[in-house]
Amino acid sequence: EAQVTQNPRYLITVTGKKLTVTCSQNMNHEYMSWYRQDPGLGLRQIYYSMNVEVTDKGDVPEGYKVSRKEKRNFPLILESPSPNQTSLYFCASRNLEGTGELFFGEGSRLTVL
Amino acid sequence: AQSVAQPEDQVNVAEGNPLTVKCTYSVSGNPYLFWYVQYPNRGLQFLLKYITGDNLVKGSYGFEAEFNKSQTSFHLKKPSALVSDSALYFCAVEDGGYNKLIFGAGTRLAVHP
Repeated sequence: EAQVTQNPRYLITVTGKKLTVTCSQNMNHEYMSWYRQDPGLGLRQIYYSMNVEVTDKGDVPEGYKVSRKEKRNFPLILESPSPNQTSLYFCASRNLEGTGELFFGEGSRLTVL
Repeated sequence: AQSVAQPEDQVNVAEGNPLTVKCTYSVSGNPYLFWYVQYPNRGLQFLLKYITGDNLVKGSYGFEAEFNKSQTSFHLKKPSALVSDSALYFCAVEDGGYNKLIFGAGTRLAVHP
């Protein structure tokens, strides 16, 4: 089954404790992206990647890092989480060819205390 | 700068009645337009897209959307609403070739029995 898998789905952590949210897709998509969803703001792009070892900032990259060492994986790293990073995070992927739609993971709800 | 506006936070409709969820956009080039739906505790799912051609686009679950270039709108419609259509709907726009999707804030659709 074609899917984007995120882990963990739910996480409560404390300020400053490094964490990683993993994302993996099994569709051989070149493009992967991370979004955060906040009430009233819709989805805002954090980082995206056009292919292995190619990443770029989205609209709200501050406080986040990503890496793309393999085509299928695109982890989101919060080196020193802060309460304003409490949010619902989505990973998504798609082909670069044409105008394909994004495939989304189920989301990761992060709470930073 | 690209932007997407969904002017209604919530749309209420009775089951069996037609529904419309509004979306207007601002983009410098020829827009690629998308609608996504989010059910509770799930990731976003693709509904339909407009790239070029016929202004009326048909998508999943009986939804359709009408592209209106002069009004820069891309409203989502369905002739007869179902209670199961209740969800959060997002409009998104992309400048062709930039691989950057901008989402609206979302509209919550509530279909009452």
